[in-house]
Amino acid sequence: NAGVTQTPKFRILKIGQSMTLQCAQDMNHNYMYWYRQDPGMGLKLIYYSVGAGITDKGEVPNGYNVSRSTTEDFPLRLELAAPSQTSVYFCASSYGTGVVGGKLFFGSGTQLSVL
Amino acid sequence: AQSVTQLDSQVPVFEEAPVELRCNYSSSVSVYLFWYVQYPNQGLQLLLKYLSGSTLVKGINGFEAEFNKSQTSFHLRKPSVHISDTAEYFCAVSPSNDYKLSFGAGTTVTVRA
Repeated sequence: NAGVTQTPKFRILKIGQSMTLQCAQDMNHNYMYWYRQDPGMGLKLIYYSVGAGITDKGEVPNGYNVSRSTTEDFPLRLELAAPSQTSVYFCASSYGTGVVGGKLFFGSGTQLSVL
Repeated sequence: AQSVTQLDSQVPVFEEAPVELRCNYSSSVSVYLFWYVQYPNQGLQLLLKYLSGSTLVKGINGFEAEFNKSQTSFHLRKPSVHISDTAEYFCAVSPSNDYKLSFGAGTTVTVRA
């Protein structure tokens, strides 16, 4: 049981390049999330999904896109990388809402630098 | 909307000493409260959560937290820390009818021998 798997672990991009951060979970969770973590700022929600085919914006969605074609996968796309997107990105999943919704399972993160 | 304030950004502590990490929240609706821990170069793991019932919640690794509704606080405590407790700790809140967590800025705990 791998849990939540993120790839790559590290990446350096040039300004204007694009890339996709991959996230997969094998726990059959309906809910998946993308967060970014900046020093001293905690985690900010970028996008989330409540099931295959359904996605919605979080607090900081500008400059990102997501898709959810399967229950397992939730990739995050950066179209035109900017220095402000330098951050550590975490993917997470959970069973759902209410009493079980708060336990998020996190991947190990992707450290992205845009230069 | 909900928000979380962690009152201490860094907490140095000696091994076997007690530690308390402070968390205050604001919300116009009923909430669930959580503490997560992040060890170096890892993702976050759930330490404990408050959903309802007893206001004293026990979690993993000897941590506990107390929910105080009147003071809108959810402080985390451990009576005796170990070197291995060195990590960053995040307080989080979600509405009780929702599934999106809002995280605080984090508290870095450094345990020294």
